[in-house]
Amino acid sequence: EVQLLESGGGLVQPGGSLRLSCAASGLTFNNYAMSWVRQAPGKGLEWVSDISGSGDRTNYADSVKGRFTISRDNSKNTLFLQMNSLTAEDTAVYYCTKSPRINGYLCHDNWGQGTLVTVSS
Amino acid sequence: DIQMTQSPSSLSASVGDRVTITCRASQAVKTHLAWFQQKPDKAPKSLIYDASSLQSGIPSRFSGSGSGTDFTLTISSLQPEDFATYYCQQYNSYPPTFGQGTKVEMK
Repeated sequence: EVQLLESGGGLVQPGGSLRLSCAASGLTFNNYAMSWVRQAPGKGLEWVSDISGSGDRTNYADSVKGRFTISRDNSKNTLFLQMNSLTAEDTAVYYCTKSPRINGYLCHDNWGQGTLVTVSS
Repeated sequence: DIQMTQSPSSLSASVGDRVTITCRASQAVKTHLAWFQQKPDKAPKSLIYDASSLQSGIPSRFSGSGSGTDFTLTISSLQPEDFATYYCQQYNSYPPTFGQGTKVEMK
């Protein structure tokens, strides 16, 4: 059974940084792309970033480009999201997802339980 | 960016009802469309990918159809555990974008 467990969320001041982690089990981790999707309180879902199985290709939403960095450590089955220059608009629950490539296109199947990031002074 | 518009934004239904949710893309996305279910304070759950393919373990009362710009999620006989918010998402082009959600409430 695939399990994704996010950690690293918390309260951070505007302009601060945070690093999220997602520990994966029950899968051959380096066979799959992975993604981060976030959800602001009371709002809908927003794709944030994804990374290929080998880690050599990444994509970002315009809203986080230049501030967030996605990475992975395949030896530790762990996905990361380094978040810098945080603003109140980054306040959200952050989910990691397993993102299999179906006919050349990434989609989501398994989701973690999420970790809450609150940006506030 | 491709805009995804779901209708209705909410609906009231009873157990046993047939429920249909529509998702429209602002430009064609072929069949690169997924549906997700989310219950309050829970992570989303993947239901359908490629417009009509059921994820493993999803009951057959859920079905999806459509291609291009118009898509439908149908629940053939609503069960108590199906009251939730449903989202569509296109993954045909970057950035992947979600609809605003459709809340299915108990009548």
